[in-house]
Amino acid sequence: GNSVTQMEGPVTLSEEAFLTINCTYTATGYPSLFWYVQYPGEGLQLLLKATKADDKGSNKGFEATYRKETTSFHLEKGSVQVSDSAVYFCALNQRASGNTGKLIFGQGTTLQVKP
Amino acid sequence: EPEVTQTPSHQVTQMGQEVILRCVPISNHLYFYWYRQILGQKVEFLVSFYNNEISEKSEIFDDQFSVERPDGSNFTLKIRSTKLEDSAMYFCASIRANYGYTFGSGTRLTVV
Repeated sequence: GNSVTQMEGPVTLSEEAFLTINCTYTATGYPSLFWYVQYPGEGLQLLLKATKADDKGSNKGFEATYRKETTSFHLEKGSVQVSDSAVYFCALNQRASGNTGKLIFGQGTTLQVKP
Repeated sequence: EPEVTQTPSHQVTQMGQEVILRCVPISNHLYFYWYRQILGQKVEFLVSFYNNEISEKSEIFDDQFSVERPDGSNFTLKIRSTKLEDSAMYFCASIRANYGYTFGSGTRLTVV
């Protein structure tokens, strides 16, 4: 079945460090891929998405590229800030359009950024 | 920016009691969802709802669970007889076709 696997956390970085959070997926067909972020006490917010192979999603300095050959969608940011401290979830949607179908989530990766 | 509103933010209930979790989706959204996250585990799909009926449900969503959109604005999740293992954060979400999901802030359900 479809699944998403993320790297184990927590990830602890100093401010301005480079961030990578690995995400790989198993799915049939051509899913859409997402990164969601959950700040303390808040709901899940869409961070970025990509709907087809080689697409790059980007937002707020974060980027992820849809790599079909490696079935990956790794999240990166060149210089993290304390305010980026949150839980990050990788997710897929089986439907190519990325709309209306259920989301399948990874287990989440906690990022702690220290000043 | 429009929000999905969930109430209450935290509910404590005794095992065997019925609970109703409430959600107000964004007004022009057409698809509605419930997800849950047991502490430290993945966010899991429970059920999707469209055109006043369930469009998909997971294995978790057994006969103890039901959903309803009673008045065109609220979207509720009912658990008929709660178990300890129902303790989790429950997220409501809504989408309109061709736009992304909007999630609520969640209801933390604690069954004692």
